[in-house]
Amino acid sequence: EAAVTQSPRNKVAVTGGKVTLSCNQTNNHNNMYWYRQDTGHGLRLIHYSYGAGSTEKGDIPDGYKASRPSQENFSLILELATPSQTSVYFCASGDRLGTYEQYFGPGTRLTVL
Amino acid sequence: GDSVTQTEGLVTVTEGLPVKLNCTYQTTYLTIAFFWYVQYLNEAPQVLLRSSTDNKRTEHQGFHATLHKSSSSFHLQKSSAQLSDSALYYCALSGDNNRIFFGDGTQLVVKP
Repeated sequence: EAAVTQSPRNKVAVTGGKVTLSCNQTNNHNNMYWYRQDTGHGLRLIHYSYGAGSTEKGDIPDGYKASRPSQENFSLILELATPSQTSVYFCASGDRLGTYEQYFGPGTRLTVL
Repeated sequence: GDSVTQTEGLVTVTEGLPVKLNCTYQTTYLTIAFFWYVQYLNEAPQVLLRSSTDNKRTEHQGFHATLHKSSSSFHLQKSSAQLSDSALYYCALSGDNNRIFFGDGTQLVVKP
């Protein structure tokens, strides 16, 4: 049973539309993260959260919002999607103790036309 | 701030030969741990190795890495590459700010 799940797994959106990517974790981790992965850029951090109700900006937050309504759920919101946001998005969870090792979900492939 | 450098974007090696993926880092935080993540095609990144002890060799699945704080390095090595090792490899470090900093990744291709 996967500990970090994402939905949808694939999404095609239109330019200017609103997109919500969802992430759920059963690791009982305090921290959750959203990354995008593009060839040549590796994993880039968009937003992260230390717990329910908190969100923090990562390295590339422009054009994205995040929401953490509960310990288990963390959403990434694109209010006005643009073609430059076409990418693969990964959610991860991590403990606040120990090594801060992160555990990744399977990813969401987003295409904005 | 913290940063991780992987100098090779692509490494190609023949099956059965040794392979080395380079990783160096800069950090201004109290660094907690160092990682190598591996990502197979169409899968999520997952931890391959982790270490927080200077000059101690860490091994898993035939790969090994030794953290050398004197040279700020954490290179990944394997003595005999297998076809199944073909994947994207990320070097990363975690600091006391709850974040992990990833390098840009090295694509390893093992050919017959």
